[in-house]
Amino acid sequence: DAGVTQSPTHLIKTRGQQVTLRCSPKSGHDTVSWYQQALGQGPQFIFQYYEEEERQRGNFPDRFSGHQYPNYSSELNVNALLLGDSALYLCASSTQGSSLSYEQYFGPGTRLTVT
Amino acid sequence: AQKITQTQPGMFVQEKEAVTLDCTYDTSDQSYGLFWYKQPSSGEMIFLIYQGSYDEQNATEGRYSLNFQKARKSANLVISASQLGDSAMYFCAMRSVPSYDKVIFGPGTSLSVIP
Repeated sequence: DAGVTQSPTHLIKTRGQQVTLRCSPKSGHDTVSWYQQALGQGPQFIFQYYEEEERQRGNFPDRFSGHQYPNYSSELNVNALLLGDSALYLCASSTQGSSLSYEQYFGPGTRLTVT
Repeated sequence: AQKITQTQPGMFVQEKEAVTLDCTYDTSDQSYGLFWYKQPSSGEMIFLIYQGSYDEQNATEGRYSLNFQKARKSANLVISASQLGDSAMYFCAMRSVPSYDKVIFGPGTSLSVIP
């Protein structure tokens, strides 16, 4: 049973460009959350997708957008890249939570470097 | 606003010894859940243990236990019988009602186990 997969593993982009990161959730999961983890910091919640809609969003500008497909896979898009967008982007999948204890399973992340 | 504080940027422990990683949190919500995750150098976040705010007993999972002191708003992780494979970053995290889709992470503690 494959866990959460993310692609690509590493990515180098130039300031001002656009990037798309991809995530396939663990089998049986229908919810995908995205996190940004800058070097030396904890992950920060970007947004969550369920039923192809954005359910909740963290404190990130509109340059960050996403999409969820009918097969529950998800994309994170970042426009007009800034140097500060360099980070590890983590995807986490789960079944739609109805209790505080529901567990998220994380992928290995995509390391984005903006030059 | 919710916040997680981890005051120990780095910790060292001798193999087979126990170690405590500190976590304090700030929330005005009455119902919340606290998590600890391990992040090895590979980048993937691994769930370790969960404690609900209404749980009367401290959570335990194998060599991991959570020292929960609700009045002090602390949720320290205790790792017993440390192993070399425990060397990693450790993150304390919180989720609360009603926005329990959003997980807030602390800055992390780097643990190094010395042979």
